[in-house]
Amino acid sequence: AQSVTQPDIHITVSEGASLELRCNYSYGATPYLFWYVQSPGQGLQLLLKYFSGDTLVQGIKGFEAEFKRSQSSFNLRKPSVHWSDAAEYFCAVGTGGFKTIFGAGTRLFVKA
Amino acid sequence: KAGVTQTPRYLIKTRGQQVTLSCSPISGHRSVSWYQQTPGQGLQFLFEYFSETQRNKGNFPGRFSGRQFSNSRSEMNVSTLELGDSALYLCATTEEGDTGELFFGEGSRLTVL
Repeated sequence: AQSVTQPDIHITVSEGASLELRCNYSYGATPYLFWYVQSPGQGLQLLLKYFSGDTLVQGIKGFEAEFKRSQSSFNLRKPSVHWSDAAEYFCAVGTGGFKTIFGAGTRLFVKA
Repeated sequence: KAGVTQTPRYLIKTRGQQVTLSCSPISGHRSVSWYQQTPGQGLQFLFEYFSETQRNKGNFPGRFSGRQFSNSRSEMNVSTLELGDSALYLCATTEEGDTGELFFGEGSRLTVL
């Protein structure tokens, strides 16, 4: 069955430190992969997406993610975290069946 | 362009009642998906509509239903509410559906007492 796993329920990083959020997926074919961010009281906003081609994709707000087929992973990274990055982050897979599957999310806390 | 609009934003119901939530998509978006978000569960897919037809549905009981109108606006209904239905219900729209970016509304927060 198709699934998305985000192993970290929450992560705390210091402002200015680097960040990596993990995502593993289970899907039979080459997936369409997404990272979304949700600030408190808001809907979700797309950070970046991977459909094909270069496995390192750049997104908004200085985020990037790398698709690794051999590891079924699509980890999100940022070299230097800002306090405004505190939010919940969701990895998602487009299954091609008019359905996008989301992971359970990782809540990011940023300490000053 | 106006964003995805969901109404109402907040509502409180009691067990056994029913509720109807509304979603108005971005102009030109014909695909509307609904998700239930609860703490620790992430977003659970409810159903997707395109041109008034349900193309996919998730693993929810029949108490959860939806529909889409000719102007692409969508409603979802939950009958015989249970405490466990308390959640944030999110609507997401896209032009054609399937693999593209989803544009989300701010959600309707339902509390069942």
